[in-house]
Amino acid sequence: AQKVTQAQTEISVVEKEDVTLDCVYETRDTTYYLFWYKQPPSGELVFLIRRNSFDEQNEISGRYSWNFQKSTSSFNFTITASQVVDSAVYFCALSERRAGGSYIPTFGRGTSLIVHP
Amino acid sequence: DTGVSQNPRHKITKRGQNVTFRCDPISEHNRLYWYRQTLGQGPEFLTYFQNEAQLEKSRLLSDRFSAERPKGSFSTLEIQRTEQGDSAMYLCASSARTSGHNEQFFGPGTRLTVL
Repeated sequence: AQKVTQAQTEISVVEKEDVTLDCVYETRDTTYYLFWYKQPPSGELVFLIRRNSFDEQNEISGRYSWNFQKSTSSFNFTITASQVVDSAVYFCALSERRAGGSYIPTFGRGTSLIVHP
Repeated sequence: DTGVSQNPRHKITKRGQNVTFRCDPISEHNRLYWYRQTLGQGPEFLTYFQNEAQLEKSRLLSDRFSAERPKGSFSTLEIQRTEQGDSAMYLCASSARTSGHNEQFFGPGTRLTVL
């Protein structure tokens, strides 16, 4: 079973629409970290947010907001009033403590967001 | 530019040849990671350094792959006897212990094509 599932392979919206990208994760650890990264067409992954497992507060940053729900093992990402520049592949990642003591993220397969003008 | 840099950006090679990629992390970052990304997939972890010590290697890192970080600064990833299945984007990332848990900064990647 995948540790991070991003069921939406591709989402297409028209500019100014709101869009939610889903992320469901699987872990047995009580301490873990969740991330969202953006990968624009240029290819370089850009860090968006980190959330630890003990902090279920939702977060808003401009047009971006994140909804973390441990009860459903989900960490969803909403873009309000989408813009063409939001077009990119978005990755959700889970970081758990590994046998060697390090935390290494496992990435989902990504959701490709296309925002049409 | 103070971000993570990778060279070359693109590499085309014939099957059986050796290739080497370089990563220069953000200067104050002591942790360095290598990932591989194939089309339609997320990055997959290959290996991780803290300073010059290679602390963890993925099962994906076959014996044809070797990575070094000799002075705890830049790192190299070498692939020997390349195979067509090695074609992918190779990503490097770095992080600092004080920057928050595993907040990684990625380079632009090296795209490898094995003919």
